[in-house]
Amino acid sequence: AQKITQTQPGMFVQEKEAVTLDCTYDTSDPSYGLFWYKQPSSGEMIFLIYQGSYDQQNATEGRYSLNFQKARKSANLVISASQLGDSAMYFCAMREGHSGNTPLVFGKGTRLSVIA
Amino acid sequence: AAGVIQSPRHLIKEKRETATLKCYPIPRHDTVYWYQQGPGQDPQFLISFYEKMQSDKGSIPDRFSAQQFSDYHSELNMSSLELGDSALYFCASSSRERGGPKETQYFGPGTRLLVL
Repeated sequence: AQKITQTQPGMFVQEKEAVTLDCTYDTSDPSYGLFWYKQPSSGEMIFLIYQGSYDQQNATEGRYSLNFQKARKSANLVISASQLGDSAMYFCAMREGHSGNTPLVFGKGTRLSVIA
Repeated sequence: AAGVIQSPRHLIKEKRETATLKCYPIPRHDTVYWYQQGPGQDPQFLISFYEKMQSDKGSIPDRFSAQQFSDYHSELNMSSLELGDSALYFCASSSRERGGPKETQYFGPGTRLLVL
């Protein structure tokens, strides 16, 4: 079974608008971490935001926020005020277990295109 | 801030040749991970090292081996290369010693391997 599911292969958003990228996860471990990474066409993998399973508040990092709904096992990324430079592939990933150095499992990704 | 360094950035090899990829983690990071990302795919975990010992093993072929050295840099050795090994190979590093589950994995720029 897929541990990370991203149901939107591609998304379009108008510049300056907000967009939500969906991510659902599957784990029976009570301790886990959820991450979002951005991969532009140049290929590098850029860390955006982290949410821990025990965190009480939704994570925010500048224009990025994470809509964490633990009961639904979803961790959607919200990008506010989209910019042309936000056009990229976005991956949701999960690390299970309390130990901080377990491998990441990635979703299939969502390709975001920002339109002027 | 210092980032993960990978070399070479691009590599072209013939089938059945060998290749060695190098990774220099962020200073004071004690865990190194290797991921393989095929064209249009999500990154897949290969292997990781914590304090120079193998920590976790993923879908790494028997033709591949890796190690972490005393200066914490890591090398991924790939032998009997096949066409299907053509991919983007990422190294990532994190620090377990920060405590708790917030150890984000920071990725290097990747090595793009093309096997002809």
